[in-house]
Amino acid sequence: AQSVTQLGSHVSVSEGALVLLRCNYSSSVPPYLFWYVQYPNQGLQLLLKYTSAATLVKGINGFEAEFKKSETSFHLTKPSAHMSDAAEYFCAVSFYNQGGKLIFGQGTELSVKP
Amino acid sequence: SQTIHQWPATLVQPVGSPLSLECTVEGTSNPNLYWYRQAAGRGLQLLFYSVGIGQISSEVPQNLSASRPQDRQFILSSKKLLLSDSGFYLCAWSRASGRAWDNEQFFGPGTRLTVL
Repeated sequence: AQSVTQLGSHVSVSEGALVLLRCNYSSSVPPYLFWYVQYPNQGLQLLLKYTSAATLVKGINGFEAEFKKSETSFHLTKPSAHMSDAAEYFCAVSFYNQGGKLIFGQGTELSVKP
Repeated sequence: SQTIHQWPATLVQPVGSPLSLECTVEGTSNPNLYWYRQAAGRGLQLLFYSVGIGQISSEVPQNLSASRPQDRQFILSSKKLLLSDSGFYLCAWSRASGRAWDNEQFFGPGTRLTVL
């Protein structure tokens, strides 16, 4: 079955520290991978996406993610956390044989301490 | 530019009452449309998606229904709400052209529904 798993429902980092949010997928066909961010009581906004081009993808707000097929992973990173990065982050996957449907992970809430 | 609207922003309804949430998209035509529910700590669950007027696919069995009476209008309804229907409801759209599987989904601001 096709699925996506985010390890850690809550991650806390200090301001200026590295942010690492983990995402693993399960699929028998090539995946297309996305990271979305959600600020409190708002909709989701796309951070970045992988669509079979470069494996290292750069997104908005200084975030990037690397697709590693051997590890079935698409972890999100940012070298230096900012207070404004505090939000919930969702990894999602879609497949060419399922139209535009997205399968979302459970989400990871990122807290940034001053 | 494209925009997506949802209303109402918040709603408190008694158990057993009906529900109607509306979503409209501007600035694009023939979009794919989606309804998601986000329950506390449970991620996003796809409820319905639509690739055209009158074409609705349901992802999970439930007491909710969806309709698409116009190209850019998507409505989520219920005849009788349950306590378990509480949550944050998000509407989204994506372009139907090209490679649908790698098209970004654009989300509305959401509706917070509390069923008491």
